[in-house]
Amino acid sequence: AQTVTQSQPEMSVQEAETVTLSCTYDTSESDYYLFWYKQPPSRQMILVIRQEAYKQQNATENRFSVNFQKAAKSFSLKISDSQLGDAAMYFCAYRSAGGAQKLVFGQGTRLTINP
Amino acid sequence: DSGVTQTPKHLITATGQRVTLRCSPRSGDLSVYWYQQSLDQGLQFLIQYYNGEERAKGNILERFSAQQFPDLHSELNLSSLELGDSALYFCASSPAIGTDTQYFGPGTRLTVL
Repeated sequence: AQTVTQSQPEMSVQEAETVTLSCTYDTSESDYYLFWYKQPPSRQMILVIRQEAYKQQNATENRFSVNFQKAAKSFSLKISDSQLGDAAMYFCAYRSAGGAQKLVFGQGTRLTINP
Repeated sequence: DSGVTQTPKHLITATGQRVTLRCSPRSGDLSVYWYQQSLDQGLQFLIQYYNGEERAKGNILERFSAQQFPDLHSELNLSSLELGDSALYFCASSPAIGTDTQYFGPGTRLTVL
């Protein structure tokens, strides 16, 4: 079974600085998808960014980018120019490309932005 | 706003009772997923439906059941409720099966007293 590990329960960063959240996963599959979801205090789960395992190029969405290291099974999220609105729980998630379509989530990292 | 709606937003009930949570997927989405978020278990997949048919089951208790109706909305039924069932229940939808991203609803907060 696949597992996702987020080793940083909490992180903090100064507004306008850059922060990187870590995620590692364990799988024997070669084709899969990785996601970062954000959960602000409203509790809504919001998709931040998605990466296909077959793509070597790292995904980027505005201030959010990932560092995908397939061999190391690592998928970190970098947030540049941090804003107060980025404060939230961030969840890393794995999904197989075939078979079960369920998302497997890590335990989350709580990100605090200091003004 | 993801386009996925869930009702009710909050539900408070007593042990032993039965409740029904409702989810309407985004327009055009055929696949619906249910997840449970609790403090001790984190976010866990419960069950998936695609176009009315059950496609995958996760850590769903026998006291829980779900279905997807012809209009594609889905209901999650929780019975013989226990204190430990208190959690945030999310519904997510995607257009089909395969490469599609899942978009989450706002969740239903269930409190069992």
